[in-house]
Amino acid sequence: EPEVTQTPSHQVTQMGQEVILRCVPISNHLYFYWYRQILGQKVEFLVSFYNNEISEKSEIFDDQFSVERPDGSNFTLKIRSTKLEDSAMYFCASSPGTSGRGKNIQYFGAGTRLSVL
Amino acid sequence: QKEVEQNSGPLSVPEGAIASLNCTYSDRVSQSFFWYRQYSGKSPELIMSIYSNGDKEDGRFTAQLNKASQYVSLLIRDSQPSDSATYLCAYSVQGAQKLVFGQGTRLTINP
Repeated sequence: EPEVTQTPSHQVTQMGQEVILRCVPISNHLYFYWYRQILGQKVEFLVSFYNNEISEKSEIFDDQFSVERPDGSNFTLKIRSTKLEDSAMYFCASSPGTSGRGKNIQYFGAGTRLSVL
Repeated sequence: QKEVEQNSGPLSVPEGAIASLNCTYSDRVSQSFFWYRQYSGKSPELIMSIYSNGDKEDGRFTAQLNKASQYVSLLIRDSQPSDSATYLCAYSVQGAQKLVFGQGTRLTINP
């Protein structure tokens, strides 16, 4: 069964460093997303991406964050200068985006645990 | 008012019984509703999606939606210990792609 894959599973970084989290969405899906979940808190939307551009972003997704689809398969989230409060689980998701009710169903990757020290 | 409200639990249910999970939401233009299951330290896994008022059944799971009351629920029949997890309620609105999640209800099935 197709799945969303994320690497690395755990990333440890020093405050102020740049990190890149990587995702391979399900092939033939058109919409890609990043969410984060701080330990013990709810899953929060960061950004959605469609047709090579950001379609929606949250207040959390400030200038420190950027997303990119560098090739036909990868989808990345970059945090330019990490802060302690960026420590969280980051989930990538994708959805078909084609016609029908199932177009909005989002499938999540296993996540990357980011620890900022 | 929170966008999605769920009882955080923990909700304890004996094995074989019916577990009932509830969710209310505040956005009246919400269009699509989802229940995800999340095991500790893992990612959300889709259980059910529901778009219209009424019931939708899939195996041991039944989702119920009442848009007038802004209420969605999930029933798990014949609960198994493997159903022990946190259940996340989420919705999306027409014209937007993001999912809005609730805090989740922690469910424990006792053998």
